Amino acid sequence: NAGVMQNPRHLVRRRGQEARLRCSPMKGHSHVYWYRQLPEEGLKFMVYLQKENIIDESGMPKERFSAEFPKEGPSILRIQQVVRGDSAAYFCASSGPPADTQYFGPGTRLTVL
Amino acid sequence: GESVGLHLPTLSVQEGDNSIINCAYSNSASDYFIWYKQESGKGPQFIIDIRSNMDKRQGQRVTVLLNKTVKHLSLQIAATQPGDSAVYFCAEKTQAGTALIFGKGTTLSVSS
Repeated sequence: NAGVMQNPRHLVRRRGQEARLRCSPMKGHSHVYWYRQLPEEGLKFMVYLQKENIIDESGMPKERFSAEFPKEGPSILRIQQVVRGDSAAYFCASSGPPADTQYFGPGTRLTVL
Repeated sequence: GESVGLHLPTLSVQEGDNSIINCAYSNSASDYFIWYKQESGKGPQFIIDIRSNMDKRQGQRVTVLLNKTVKHLSLQIAATQPGDSAVYFCAEKTQAGTALIFGKGTTLSVSS
């Protein structure tokens, strides 16, 4: 019974490159959430998606960040032209109905050189 | 959410003691609360949750207490073990909202 899967677990990019983070929700879950965690801080909400739809992107930076959850395949968080300030741990969570508990993946730790 | 005076960034206990971790939430409209445990290098792990129509909920060695009057949440861990050492976060959500709002974590250190 696999939980939420994320890959890669660690990602190193140089400034200006693109970062793609993938998330496969728990089996049976169709709601995906992305959060960002800076060192020594709590998680901050970025975006909530259902299959083929972005439901709430109120926490997403206006530029360079995008997310998708296609009909087939994992959810993708894409960061274009990364800057050092993008270095953080990015966590994906999934739930059944949105009122239910969100279960988190192991995260992707992005380092921008 | 967190509030000055209630939130302790660190808590050190002896193995076998009971631990109490406090959290103050900010939104009176929040009706769902969760405690997560995060070990170093890992994602948050669900511990226990409680809805606003309850004031207490028990799990295995853990109890969550909710005081809506003062917007306070606590996590009690009985017979704390070294494996309980981690950062603990409370999170809140409103019925209409989708995002979890996380408080600042408390680092629990358990010594043998």
